[in-house]
Amino acid sequence: DGGITQSPKYLFRKEGQNVTLSCEQNLNHDAMYWYRQDPGQGLRLIYYSQIVNDFQKGDIAEGYSVSREKKESFPLTVTSAQKNPTAFYLCASSISRGGLFWGSNTGELFFGEGSRLTVL
Amino acid sequence: AQSVTQLDSQVPVFEEAPVELRCNYSSSVSVYLFWYVQYPNQGLQLLLKYLSGSTLVKGINGFEAEFNKSQTSFHLRKPSVHISDTAEYFCAVSPLFNAGNMLTFGGGTRLMVKP
Repeated sequence: DGGITQSPKYLFRKEGQNVTLSCEQNLNHDAMYWYRQDPGQGLRLIYYSQIVNDFQKGDIAEGYSVSREKKESFPLTVTSAQKNPTAFYLCASSISRGGLFWGSNTGELFFGEGSRLTVL
Repeated sequence: AQSVTQLDSQVPVFEEAPVELRCNYSSSVSVYLFWYVQYPNQGLQLLLKYLSGSTLVKGINGFEAEFNKSQTSFHLRKPSVHISDTAEYFCAVSPLFNAGNMLTFGGGTRLMVKP
């Protein structure tokens, strides 16, 4: 079955440590995204990538880094510079909004199951 | 730019009662509209979407939503809720014909179904 796989599901980190969250998709989607979710605050965009080897900052990119070396993979690193990293992290993908075939490019996102990061 | 407002952050309701979760949006262009559901400690799952055509859209788990262009609303309804419908619900929009633009989400509504 096609889908998005995030790992690990739960992660504990000591203050000052970097940690990398994995996101892999087999939907053949060009675009991938990382969101952060805190209680009562909805979804906030961290980074997104519309194509391999290219990515853009979202609304809350400070303290995070990403890479997009393969179409299928979009890992997120939470660095020690992130002041409050405890949160639920969601990875998503979509068909790229670029191109002429608008009929299939609605912007619909497909989400992974999420990774919960707790800083001790 | 688009914005989405979900007017109720929490909606408590008794089991088997009807429910309506409200969503209003603001956009200078036509949009696609979506409702997602999130169960505890899980990712978001698409509930239903409006792309074009009939303004009444039916989704999974007995939910439906009606697109009202004049009122810029896309309210979600279910005639009889179950305990298993307890979850967070997100409304989202994306603009037509705008390369690179992504979904804009509302703040979410927590539906709490009581026995």
